[in-house]
Amino acid sequence: DAGVIQSPRHEVTEMGQEVTLRCKPISGHNSLFWYRQTMMRGLELLIYFNNNVPIDDSGMPEDRFSAKMPNASFSTLKIQPSEPRDSAVYFCASTLRGQYEQYFGPGTRLTVT
Amino acid sequence: QQQVKQSPQSLIVQKGGISIINCAYENTAFDYFPWYQQFPGKGPALLIAIRPDVSEKKEGRFTISFNKSAKQFSLHIMDSQPGDSATYFCAAYDQTGANNLFFGTGTRLTVIP
Repeated sequence: DAGVIQSPRHEVTEMGQEVTLRCKPISGHNSLFWYRQTMMRGLELLIYFNNNVPIDDSGMPEDRFSAKMPNASFSTLKIQPSEPRDSAVYFCASTLRGQYEQYFGPGTRLTVT
Repeated sequence: QQQVKQSPQSLIVQKGGISIINCAYENTAFDYFPWYQQFPGKGPALLIAIRPDVSEKKEGRFTISFNKSAKQFSLHIMDSQPGDSATYFCAAYDQTGANNLFFGTGTRLTVIP
């Protein structure tokens, strides 16, 4: 089992640029979560999907953030335009709906200069 | 609004000592309380979990104590080792509501030799 795969692992970009983070959940899992982790705010849930459908996006900070899940094996989190305050580690996690344990990917460290 | 409150923010313990991390919640609908462990550069991973119908769960050197009436739970790490140095997150899950975990703010544990 390869686990949750995220890419890129590190991303450095300039303010105003578009950033796309990618996630491949564990095969067979039907719930997918995007989190953001910072020292100041800890681990924040941004959005989650059940069966590729967005269920709760109330954690998405603003309209600059968008997430999609076109199929069961792929999801993207896009920031356009990016700002320095978006600098954080972004995690993707997956699970079987109704199961408690979430499996986290290794994260993408985003730095916006 | 932080659904799960966690303390302390950081903790330094000598090797062989006991590490104690505390969490509190308000929502009585929560029905599963996991602890996640995160090493630097990695995503959080499930360490141990408890349901509210038991007061204690032990797995090796790790024990969760649960006080349903006080709406508090804690993680005890016995005989703490330098390899236990990590960030620990408590969390809570409501199966009847949103299919997501509510995380505490994390505790950075350092075990010194």
